[in-house]
Amino acid sequence: DAGVIQSPRHEVTEMGQEVTLRCKPISGHDYLFWYRQTMMRGLELLIYFNNNVPIDDSGMPEDRFSAKMPNASFSTLKIQPSEPRDSAVYFCASSARGVTEAFFGQGTRLTVV
Amino acid sequence: AQSVTQLGSHVSVSEGALVLLRCNYSSSVPPYLFWYVQYPNQGLQLLLKYTSAATLVKGINGFEAEFKKSETSFHLTKPSAHMSDAAEYFCAVSDRGGADGLTFGKGTHLIIQP
Repeated sequence: DAGVIQSPRHEVTEMGQEVTLRCKPISGHDYLFWYRQTMMRGLELLIYFNNNVPIDDSGMPEDRFSAKMPNASFSTLKIQPSEPRDSAVYFCASSARGVTEAFFGQGTRLTVV
Repeated sequence: AQSVTQLGSHVSVSEGALVLLRCNYSSSVPPYLFWYVQYPNQGLQLLLKYTSAATLVKGINGFEAEFKKSETSFHLTKPSAHMSDAAEYFCAVSDRGGADGLTFGKGTHLIIQP
């Protein structure tokens, strides 16, 4: 398996623009997680899904952030409108029932100018 | 609520010396504990995990960690450091393993001196 695939790897956008980050989990995994990594706050869980249903979105910072999982092989994290303080590395991870660890993608480095 | 504390944001050791990275956790239930490594501009790679089986856990690249319930600790060690071990190391905890989000420590940057 190719592992968790995230796109794009790097994104530079202007303040106020909409940004969409994409994730393809490992085939057969039914849990999907979105994390954000910043220097100030470290790694934080934003939201996670089980069987395409959002289970816990308490980590989503603001209404400007939204996440969807339309099917088992694809998820998006959208920021609208983006702000400079959203600049971070966003990671997607997936796992499966009975599997004790999550597998991480390479991340998307977002820069909002 | 869970939390993880990693003592020392930076640890420097000489090549060939013992590596010790400290992690203390708090959890209201028997935890799942993990150590992940992150190389520059890369994702997180699992080093090892504790899932209530053996308290001494061996991982990849010669790393191991010991779960000590009485001390709520899960320190990471390696007998002899290599230059290739230079990276960021994260300790993490969850209540339900892969069926739950992870709570991470702030990370420890491991520096290897030649």
